[in-house]
Parts: sequence; structure tokens; C-alpha cells
Amino acid sequence: GNSVTQMEGPVTLSEEAFLTINCTYTATGYPSLFWYVQYPGEGLQLLLKATKADDKGSNKGFEATYRKETTSFHLEKGSVQVSDSAVYFCALSGGETSGSRLTFGEGTQLTVNP
Amino acid sequence: DSGVTQTPKHLITATGQRVTLRCSPRSGDLSVYWYQQSLDQGLQFLIQYYNGEERAKGNILERFSAQQFPDLHSELNLSSLELGDSALYFCASSVDPRDSGELFFGEGSRLTVL
Repeated sequence: GNSVTQMEGPVTLSEEAFLTINCTYTATGYPSLFWYVQYPGEGLQLLLKATKADDKGSNKGFEATYRKETTSFHLEKGSVQVSDSAVYFCALSGGETSGSRLTFGEGTQLTVNP
Repeated sequence: DSGVTQTPKHLITATGQRVTLRCSPRSGDLSVYWYQQSLDQGLQFLIQYYNGEERAKGNILERFSAQQFPDLHSELNLSSLELGDSALYFCASSVDPRDSGELFFGEGSRLTVL
């Protein structure tokens, strides 16, 4: 079945550091890929998405490129801020699953220190 | 604010009891999803409804049931509760079940079973 694997956390960075959170997936067919973010005490919010190979999703300075050859969708940001502290989830939908039910990775806790 | 409303926000109960969690989707959204977030299992898809009909079922226990009413709100019923059912339960909604994973999440209902 579908699965998503994220790099283990937690990740702690200083403000203005470069961020990479690795995500790889297993799916049949052509899934859509997503990054969701969960700020403390809140529900998940869609951060960015990519629906086909080589697509780049971007939002709020974050970027991720759908790499079918490596089955990856790594999240990057060139300069993180304290306000980026949150839990980040990689997810996929489609592929062999129906509708838009999402399969999530384990989540990566990011803490950015001033 | 995602527009998805969940009640109650917190619930503490005892083993063997039954609880009902309620979700009001965003205005205009026809599809409702329930997810369970726990420390050991991460985010698990439970069940999806579209316009009152069950659309997809995930890792939902037989002790759990859900429904979506004509006004599109949904309820998740958890019975014969066990300690391991303690978790954060999220509801999410989307306009169309083919919406490629763009879900809008509520803030969750935190269930503690003592």
C-alpha cells in the first residue's frame, strides 16, 4: 500500500539557517504530494503541493519538488524564522487509494531559535 | 481559521464509556474525513463521508462508528473506550472527494481515557 517516510526529528535550527526535511514515498500510479504544517494547538494546514513529476510546489518561502525517479518530495527553505516552528507532515493522495484520503508521514518537529 | 469546527476541544472519560465527537465542515464542503493522531501511530485515516454517504474506510475499529447528517455535519462515535483510544481526533473537509488531498482541518478533539 501507500506509505510516506519522513526524516526523523526533532530538528532544531537557528534563525536564518537553511532547512531541509526529507520525505520519500511508496505508491503505485501517480500520486499527488503535499506538505502540511501544524502549528502548536492548531489543526493541519496545507503548505504546498505538487500533482505531477517535476512539479515544484512553493509557499511562504518553502519549496518542494516532486521527484518520481527518487520517489522524493523534500521540503526546503533558504532562511527559517522563529515563526516557522511547527510540525511538518509529508503526505500523498491518489495512487492506488481512492478519493483524496491522505496518507501521512510521521511528522517532523521543527524548532527555530532566535 | 480553517472554517471547520470541532467540539468538544477536550474530553476526559473512563474506560468502557462512550463519547461522541462532532464536526461541522466548511460552508459548501460536501466531504468530511476523520483522522486519529496518536504518539505511537501518527496520523491515521479513519473514515470519509461524501454528501451523507460513506465513501472510504481506513483503520477504523469496529467499536467506532461515524455518520454524516443531511446538514453535512458529522459525528464520530467511540464506544467501549480503552486507554489506547486516547488521542487527538481531527475532522477535515473538502468540496469534492476528488480534490487531490486539499483538505481543511479543524483544531481537533483531544480525548483522554483514564
